[in-house]
Amino acid sequence: DAKTTQPPSMDCAEGRAANLPCNHSTISGNEYVYWYRQIHSQGPQYIIHGLKNNETNEMASLIITEDRKSSTLILPHATLRDTAVYYCIVRVAGGTSNFGNEKLTFGTGTRLTIIP
Amino acid sequence: KAGVTQTPRYLIKTRGQQVTLSCSPISGHRSVSWYQQTPGQGLQFLFEYFSETQRNKGNFPGRFSGRQFSNSRSEMNVSTLELGDSALYLCASSLGPSGGSDTQYFGPGTRLTVL
Repeated sequence: DAKTTQPPSMDCAEGRAANLPCNHSTISGNEYVYWYRQIHSQGPQYIIHGLKNNETNEMASLIITEDRKSSTLILPHATLRDTAVYYCIVRVAGGTSNFGNEKLTFGTGTRLTIIP
Repeated sequence: KAGVTQTPRYLIKTRGQQVTLSCSPISGHRSVSWYQQTPGQGLQFLFEYFSETQRNKGNFPGRFSGRQFSNSRSEMNVSTLELGDSALYLCASSLGPSGGSDTQYFGPGTRLTVL
């Protein structure tokens, strides 16, 4: 799996948009970008994922650059409950050709603190 | 739909004992993965099961083992516990090979403390 680089920590004011960057310059064509977050001592929570196009769901938006070498997770209106460690992961797509190689490889993530 | 459930949530064992942790995947999910999280090593992949077969294994000693049952529920076992096995053990479930993305959803974890 390709490696990712994230800033170790970020602060964001409550109510503002939180923009979390991730570099994945060695990503392969069949690898997705996944974002998870982990609130202290809980299981990681899936946020969003994408392959090439920008994606949006009820939690966040994912912006992937055209060359796919970096991406940004956007939390549009951050609240105190968004304080967590955010992990950007690149992961091979499923299917018979990648059978058994779809594990998630976690880095150290970005510790996002929402400031009241 | 109910999420991934893990039992027990907390466990205290002593060195040399063995332990079995259980994971029930989301209904309809057939793939179960296990991860270990420690302050020093972070989140590390242990193994993954699909259709009762281990598909992938991380770099852990043979004391760590697992299995999956026909209803997709999974157990992992750690024998001859060491102090360093103290960790949060996480289970994640997914649909299984589908030709596209296969999102893993995590349970709350089992906190194992080895004394």
